[in-house]
Amino acid sequence: GNSVTQMEGPVTLSEEAFLTINCTYTATGYPSLFWYVQYPGEGLQLLLKATKADDKGSNKGFEATYRKETTSFHLEKGSVQVSDSAVYFCALSTNGGYQKVTFGTGTKLQVIP
Amino acid sequence: KAGVTQTPRYLIKTRGQQVTLSCSPISGHRSVSWYQQTPGQGLQFLFEYFSETQRNKGNFPGRFSGRQFSNSRSEMNVSTLELGDSALYLCASSLVQGTTGELFFGEGSRLTVL
Repeated sequence: GNSVTQMEGPVTLSEEAFLTINCTYTATGYPSLFWYVQYPGEGLQLLLKATKADDKGSNKGFEATYRKETTSFHLEKGSVQVSDSAVYFCALSTNGGYQKVTFGTGTKLQVIP
Repeated sequence: KAGVTQTPRYLIKTRGQQVTLSCSPISGHRSVSWYQQTPGQGLQFLFEYFSETQRNKGNFPGRFSGRQFSNSRSEMNVSTLELGDSALYLCASSLVQGTTGELFFGEGSRLTVL
């Protein structure tokens, strides 16, 4: 079956630090990969996505590259802000016609001024 | 375009009661999925509906059920509530056709069971 493994949190960084949150996956078929973000008290919202190998998804300064050879989709940001404090979920979907998205356990990021 | 709307946002119930949660998807979205989120278990898939049919189901007991109406609105029901059912219940909708599996989430219904 499909699974997503992401690094344990919480991750605490100072403002303007570099962020990496690791994510690896196991999937049957050829998955689409996603990063979702959940701000306190809110539902999840899509941060970025990639649908094929070597694709780079990017949004709001965050980037992730679909690496088929290492089955990874690590999230990076060059300079984090306090407003980036949230929980980040790596996820995958196989067969877009059947919406059973598999999520990782989430990584809580806290950015301190 | 209105987002996914979930009602109620917060509710408190006691053990043994039952609860019904509602989800209105984004206009034009025909797939609705439900997830349970708890601090210990993370996001767990409950079920997914498309065109009033349940297509996928997670590993939850039969006390958890759902349905979808012809206008794509969905409800989930939990009967005989247990303390462990306290959680944030998230609904997500998607287009399905020609998409890559992107989900659009509501803000959730936070259920507390006393």
